[in-house]
Amino acid sequence: AQKITQTQPGMFVQEKEAVTLDCTYDTSDQSYGLFWYKQPSSGEMIFLIYQGSYDEQNATEGRYSLNFQKARKSANLVISASQLGDSAMYFCAGPSARQLTFGSGTQLTVLP
Amino acid sequence: NAGVTQTPKFQVLKTGQSMTLQCAQDMNHEYMSWYRQDPGMGLRLIHYSVGAGITDQGEVPNGYNVSRSTTEDFPLRLLSAAPSQTSVYFCASRGPLEKLFFGSGTQLSVL
Repeated sequence: AQKITQTQPGMFVQEKEAVTLDCTYDTSDQSYGLFWYKQPSSGEMIFLIYQGSYDEQNATEGRYSLNFQKARKSANLVISASQLGDSAMYFCAGPSARQLTFGSGTQLTVLP
Repeated sequence: NAGVTQTPKFQVLKTGQSMTLQCAQDMNHEYMSWYRQDPGMGLRLIHYSVGAGITDQGEVPNGYNVSRSTTEDFPLRLLSAAPSQTSVYFCASRGPLEKLFFGSGTQLSVL
């Protein structure tokens, strides 16, 4: 069975600091992908970053980077230089693109 | 650019009533899907479609029907609403690099 696990229900970070949100996955497929989505209090789902299992380098999108460790089956999201607007729920999702599974989410609060 | 459009945004039903949640996308995406989001549980896949005329079940399909007669539209039908179906529903379509584009969601309450 495909599974996505986020073990941090809530995280706090000081403004301008970096923060890492954890995600582990379980799959027996060789080809798969991991995603991160942001859900602010307004409720919309915002795509942040994608990592394919065959990508040789860790994905980066602006202040977001994905620390992909295939052997450990982890795909942690790193947010650098946190901003107040980063306060939101963050979801890890994957690994099958056809039947995407979401983790339970991490509520990130950025402190001024 | 409309993207993925969901209607209605809010809906209150009585137990046993039926309704259809509408979803339309203008990006010519083949893949579309429906999710429900319950507090503390993330999003769970209800049904998905890989193209017109093709649908399949996700993780939580019971109580929901879908059809895909056109590439643009993917409605979700509740035939006999139950309080357990109170949730936020999201429609999504998949674009390049597997990226999902989400609609703004429908808040459904079943009394």
